[in-house]
Amino acid sequence: KAGVTQTPRYLIKTRGQQVTLSCSPISGHRSVSWYQQTPGQGLQFLFEYFSETQRNKGNFPGRFSGRQFSNSRSEMNVSTLELGDSALYLCASSLTGANSPLHFGNGTRLTVT
Amino acid sequence: DAKTTQPNSMESNEEEPVHLPCNHSTISGTDYIHWYRQLPSQGPEYVIHGLTSNVNNRMASLAIAEDRKSSTLILHRATLRDAAVYYCILDQAAGNKLTFGGGTRVLVKP
Repeated sequence: KAGVTQTPRYLIKTRGQQVTLSCSPISGHRSVSWYQQTPGQGLQFLFEYFSETQRNKGNFPGRFSGRQFSNSRSEMNVSTLELGDSALYLCASSLTGANSPLHFGNGTRLTVT
Repeated sequence: DAKTTQPNSMESNEEEPVHLPCNHSTISGTDYIHWYRQLPSQGPEYVIHGLTSNVNNRMASLAIAEDRKSSTLILHRATLRDAAVYYCILDQAAGNKLTFGGGTRVLVKP
């Protein structure tokens, strides 16, 4: 069974640009969540989608958005990039959501210059 | 959000057991205790989770205090591949909104 796939693996953008990251969950998993990991703040929850609906949202500005498609694949978008958005963005999928183990991808490393 | 407290780092010798403590004094009755670990250059990996009773799987054991205010992850025989950052997290049964703390960096010495 294929694991969680995130593309691209690395990305370099300049301030003010926007970026879209993609996540393909494990087949059959309906919940997809996104996390940001930085050396200073650690792992922080961005949002979670279940059956195409955003079910939970973390404390990030509106520049961070996401969506989930009918095949459970998910994208997250960051508009008007800032230097502080440089981070490892991790996607995780699970069968149903609450209390089911998360399966993480290896992330997309975003660098904003 | 309920928080967890873990030591910053621990060292162990290869093939010896490792006991990783976690305090979660503000845990509520429906919070599950999850453990994940993150190896260098990889996303976090699920280790184990439980609610009230002790749990065992092929990777580790989870011992939960009777009052649920603390728990201990036990790696029975540490290997070099177990060197990672271990996160103790409370899942508040509200979707997968996990709050990760700083974790414990485990160093395994040969």
